[in-house]
Amino acid sequence: DAKTTQPPSMDCAEGRAANLPCNHSTISGNEYVYWYRQIHSQGPQYIIHGLKNNETNEMASLIITEDRKSSTLILPHATLRDTAVYYCIVKSNTDKLIFGTGTRLQVFP
Amino acid sequence: DTAVSQTPKYLVTQMGNDKSIKCEQNLGHDTMYWYKQDSKKFLKIMFSYNNKELIINETVPNRFSPKSPDKAHLNLHINSLELGDSAVYFCASSHRAGEEKLFFGSGTQLSVL
Repeated sequence: DAKTTQPPSMDCAEGRAANLPCNHSTISGNEYVYWYRQIHSQGPQYIIHGLKNNETNEMASLIITEDRKSSTLILPHATLRDTAVYYCIVKSNTDKLIFGTGTRLQVFP
Repeated sequence: DTAVSQTPKYLVTQMGNDKSIKCEQNLGHDTMYWYKQDSKKFLKIMFSYNNKELIINETVPNRFSPKSPDKAHLNLHINSLELGDSAVYFCASSHRAGEEKLFFGSGTQLSVL
């Protein structure tokens, strides 16, 4: 069972920040928040993960609320190539990686 | 160089046939996986191997038999193919079991006619 809730779809203008929300109100203390994305006709791609602190890498930023019940993935300057399905996944180190239905992000010119 | 490569990319076959999908990773990872993505785009784990040993075996028909000759390869053999086996199959690898960062191949689209 997926432990996260995401909006089914979002739009974003090219060059603007894309903010993708995820609710995980039942997250446990040893569970991390992971984000993957799947561009059409490709395999899923790891983006970022975090436990409780905000994280940033070359692809995105992850903001986790203080109570850890929700998080936001931020693509600071979305491009057309960022159009994809984005998956928010909660898991511990011993869990399997289970994908939900994700958010379909459409970046438009 | 492709990190996780799987062949073939497309596979069209008749019901009842036996087919194999091959997967190789050149990342030096210990753990490999097979995922299935059905027509509704749900992505589900099927198997996981760590250093050639099976560690995850989801509720998958025993017509599906993974084989890991070494830790760089995880092949998937499917016997007596059925219409419902039509899907995209993704191979993946990670540095170790439980690792958060999986590297996925580009998928094999299997169509059973």
